Amino acid sequence: GNSVTQMEGPVTLSEEAFLTINCTYTATGYPSLFWYVQYPGEGLQLLLKATKADDKGSNKGFEATYRKETTSFHLEKGSVQVSDSAVYFCALLITQGGSEKLVFGKGTKLTVNP
Amino acid sequence: DGGITQSPKYLFRKEGQNVTLSCEQNLNHDAMYWYRQDPGQGLRLIYYSQIVNDFQKGDIAEGYSVSREKKESFPLTVTSAQKNPTAFYLCASSIAAAWGAEAFFGQGTRLTVV
Repeated sequence: GNSVTQMEGPVTLSEEAFLTINCTYTATGYPSLFWYVQYPGEGLQLLLKATKADDKGSNKGFEATYRKETTSFHLEKGSVQVSDSAVYFCALLITQGGSEKLVFGKGTKLTVNP
Repeated sequence: DGGITQSPKYLFRKEGQNVTLSCEQNLNHDAMYWYRQDPGQGLRLIYYSQIVNDFQKGDIAEGYSVSREKKESFPLTVTSAQKNPTAFYLCASSIAAAWGAEAFFGQGTRLTVV
């Protein structure tokens, strides 16, 4: 089946620390991959995406590279800020039976302390 | 402004009552989704729809029903058959059949059944 596994949180870092949140996936076919971010009490917002192998998505200092050989899409940021505190979701979009289906990981809560 | 609107933001219902959550979008998106979010569970797919008058069950459809009579609207009914309905519900939409299209999310409805 299609699934996403991301590292369990919570993750607590100090400001300016390096961030990695691991994400691996299982999919039939060739999915598109996404990272979404959720701030408290809100819906999800797209952070970045990659649609094919070796693509790198980037936004707001965050990066993730679509690695087909390791079925991974790890999120990284070189220097986190307090404002990055949120829940981060890895997701894949797969076409299944003529329909597109968006599948999410369980989310990783990040807290950045000043 | 284009977007996706869920209403109400907070909803309280007595046990045994059916309740309908509203989701409207003016983005001209074909695909719409309903997710349920529980602490530590991430987002779980309830139902999704690619075109008007057609929808598919997601991973946890039992106790829920939907309709898609208009492109703009995808209401979710939480029935009395849903054993544990208290949760945060998120609606999303995307351009169907567009490779790697991102999903846009509403602000969510927090349903509490007492």
